[in-house]
Amino acid sequence: KAGVTQTPRYLIKTRGQQVTLSCSPISGHRSVSWYQQTPGQGLQFLFEYFSETQRNKGNFPGRFSGRQFSNSRSEMNVSTLELGDSALYLCASSNGQGFGDEQFFGPGTRLTVL
Amino acid sequence: AQSVTQPDIHITVSEGASLELRCNYSYGATPYLFWYVQSPGQGLQLLLKYFSGDTLVQGIKGFEAEFKRSQSSFNLRKPSVHWSDAAEYFCAVGNFNAGNNRKLIWGLGTSLAVNP
Repeated sequence: KAGVTQTPRYLIKTRGQQVTLSCSPISGHRSVSWYQQTPGQGLQFLFEYFSETQRNKGNFPGRFSGRQFSNSRSEMNVSTLELGDSALYLCASSNGQGFGDEQFFGPGTRLTVL
Repeated sequence: AQSVTQPDIHITVSEGASLELRCNYSYGATPYLFWYVQSPGQGLQLLLKYFSGDTLVQGIKGFEAEFKRSQSSFNLRKPSVHWSDAAEYFCAVGNFNAGNNRKLIWGLGTSLAVNP
């Protein structure tokens, strides 16, 4: 079974631009969660999508948004990029049923904002 | 508020030595606890998890963890470390409530180096 894939793996953008990251979950998984990982803040939860609906949301500004398609693939968008948005963005998929079901992580997209 | 603390930012051990990585959590209800490992360039991989029952949990790669409610701890252990265990280790607590609010709260991680 193929794992979680994220594209692109690396991105360089400048302040003020916007960016879209993509995540393809494991086949059959309906839940996709997004996390931001930085050295100072660690891993922080952005949001979770389940069956095309945002089910949970972390404490990030509205510049961060996402969506999920009918095939469970998910995209995350960051508008008006700031220097502080430089981070590793991780996507995780799970079957989304029950508490504590295992999340499988992709390798991440490394975003650098100049 | 829920939180996870990993007191050790960096640990170095010799190959073959035992290992214990500390994790303390703050959570109002029965916690769902996880340990993940992240190798360079790799995604996070689940080592083990605790939901209920036996407080000593066995995981992959020879790791185990013990849940101690009285100490709010969930320390990760391995009796004999291999060079390939060098990686970043993350402890997380699952925030799952009756409203189906599901998210993981993470510690800042412990970086493990292994000397040959």
